[in-house]
Amino acid sequence: GNSVTQMEGPVTLSEEAFLTINCTYTATGYPSLFWYVQYPGEGLQLLLKATKADDKGSNKGFEATYRKETTSFHLEKGSVQVSDSAVYFCALKGQGGSEKLVFGKGTKLTVNP
Amino acid sequence: DAGVIQSPRHEVTEMGQEVTLRCKPISGHDYLFWYRQTMMRGLELLIYFNNNVPIDDSGMPEDRFSAKMPNASFSTLKIQPSEPRDSAVYFCASSTSTRRLGETQYFGPGTRLLVL
Repeated sequence: GNSVTQMEGPVTLSEEAFLTINCTYTATGYPSLFWYVQYPGEGLQLLLKATKADDKGSNKGFEATYRKETTSFHLEKGSVQVSDSAVYFCALKGQGGSEKLVFGKGTKLTVNP
Repeated sequence: DAGVIQSPRHEVTEMGQEVTLRCKPISGHDYLFWYRQTMMRGLELLIYFNNNVPIDDSGMPEDRFSAKMPNASFSTLKIQPSEPRDSAVYFCASSTSTRRLGETQYFGPGTRLLVL
């Protein structure tokens, strides 16, 4: 079945540091890939997405590129801020018509001033 | 738009009691999802509906759990009887099948359930 593996957390960075959170997936065909973010006490919200190979999703300074050859969708940001502290989830939606999202376990990011 | 609305936000109950969680999806959305989030198991899809019809309930843990969607603007997730291991945050999410808007699921704020 479809699955998502993302790097274990927690990740602690200083403000303005570079961020990478690794995400790899297992799925047949060409799934759609997502990064969701969960701020403390809130529900998840979409951060960015990519629906085909080589697409780059971007939002709020975050980027991720859909790499079919390495089955990866790593999240990056060049300069993190304290307000980026949250839990980040990688997810995929497989081909075949199902609307089911499969999530990774989440990576908690803490950014210190 | 008000977003996905869930109630209650917090629920504390005793083992054996019935618990009902409620969700109002975003108006116009035709998909509704129920998730459970725990530290041990992460985020799990329990069930989802399309046009009020359950499509995939393979994630429902056992017969103690049931979900209904009597109309396009309301869904319930019921646990009867509740057990301490049901303690978790339960999220409702909705989405639309309109191709232009893609496949984004919009999550509610969640219901934090504690079963003593």
